[in-house]
Amino acid sequence: DTGVSQDPRHKITKRGQNVTFRCDPISEHNRLYWYRQTLGQGPEFLTYFQNEAQLEKSRLLSDRFSAERPKGSFSTLEIQRTEQGDSAMYLCASSSDRGQLSYTFGSGTRLTVV
Amino acid sequence: AQRVTQPEKLLSVFKGAPVELKCNYSYSGSPELFWYVQYSRQRLQLLLRHISRESIKGFTADLNKGETSFHLKKPFAQEEDSAMYYCALSSSSASKIIFGSGTRLSIRP
Repeated sequence: DTGVSQDPRHKITKRGQNVTFRCDPISEHNRLYWYRQTLGQGPEFLTYFQNEAQLEKSRLLSDRFSAERPKGSFSTLEIQRTEQGDSAMYLCASSSDRGQLSYTFGSGTRLTVV
Repeated sequence: AQRVTQPEKLLSVFKGAPVELKCNYSYSGSPELFWYVQYSRQRLQLLLRHISRESIKGFTADLNKGETSFHLKKPFAQEEDSAMYYCALSSSSASKIIFGSGTRLSIRP
């Protein structure tokens, strides 16, 4: 297990296009999180899953954003009709629900909307 | 509302000087506090958490509930400490972490 993997590392897309990102968590971790980070800011919570169930979504998340974790393993984050304001680093993290809460982060996907 | 405030965007100190990165939080309850660090070209990673009460890489942080602060300290800075530092919190029963906006620590030789 090489930790949390995110794909792609970089994505450039035209405004109005749809994009999808993938996250593969640590295999023993049943919790998976998506965060967004813009320049000069800390990671901002978007949503999280426990196994395949999406348990919480940020109120900041517009209807254009959707996330899935169909088999409780990898997850996808889709952004429809991208806007320039969606340009950011999208971070995935995973954790176990046993013991102390502790995230393992992926390297992130940097999205640029032109 | 849960909020983490890091008042300094950038902190620059000389090697060997003491370091203090400030963090204040807003939370009605018993929070769990963390410091995360991101070194150049590396992933965000946990540095320390207040529950553990341990020193990591010479850094310590004490939770002050009266002042709602969790400042990160190190008595003698080293060049390899240069990084982005994020203070973060969660509730004892919650499953997500809220991050501050971060402080960039730059250690001058």
